[in-house]
Amino acid sequence: EDKVVQSPLSLVVHEGDTVTLNCSYEVTNFRSLLWYKQEKKAPTFLFMLTSSGIEKKSGRLSSILDKKELFSILNITATQTGDSAIYLCAVDPNRPNAGNMLTFGGGTRLMVKP
Amino acid sequence: EAQVTQNPRYLITVTGKKLTVTCSQNMNHEYMSWYRQDPGLGLRQIYYSMNVEVTDKGDVPEGYKVSRKEKRNFPLILESPSPNQTSLYFCASSLSKGTGQGYNEQFFGPGTRLTVL
Repeated sequence: EDKVVQSPLSLVVHEGDTVTLNCSYEVTNFRSLLWYKQEKKAPTFLFMLTSSGIEKKSGRLSSILDKKELFSILNITATQTGDSAIYLCAVDPNRPNAGNMLTFGGGTRLMVKP
Repeated sequence: EAQVTQNPRYLITVTGKKLTVTCSQNMNHEYMSWYRQDPGLGLRQIYYSMNVEVTDKGDVPEGYKVSRKEKRNFPLILESPSPNQTSLYFCASSLSKGTGQGYNEQFFGPGTRLTVL
């Protein structure tokens, strides 16, 4: 059974801190790993990772994938209160004839205090 | 504006009373999915559709039905809702298979919060 596990479950930091969110996975036929940010509404796409060791970067956010150890991390530097959200990790298990099904982790709830 | 819309956004109902949550996308996406989100369990896929008239079960399909008669619409039907279907529901759509960054980026609707008493 495909599985995605995120840690920590929740995290409280102060503005300016750097945080690292973890995502480990077990899938039979990996195609890609995606990170989403969910504030009060729907998840919004952050990154898609397909290759090991290649960092994806967007402003203060960056992410990297390790396909050998089956995990990914999402880093946020110089955190701001607007970074407060649930961060979701999802894996495309590339099931045959299954289109773009994603398996999601339980999420990490990040709270950034002023 | 490219978007996925869902209706209603909030619904309180009683056990056994059939309901439908609509989902519509204006991006000409082939793939559409329904997820439910529960605390500590993340998003779990209920049903998905690869194209018109092509639907299949996700990880938690019990108690739900879907249809895909048109490309833009993918309604979720609860024939006889029960309290364990109280949840936050998201519809999502994405491009067809291909290469590049966005080939399976899923666009989510705003969510429907359902309470079954």
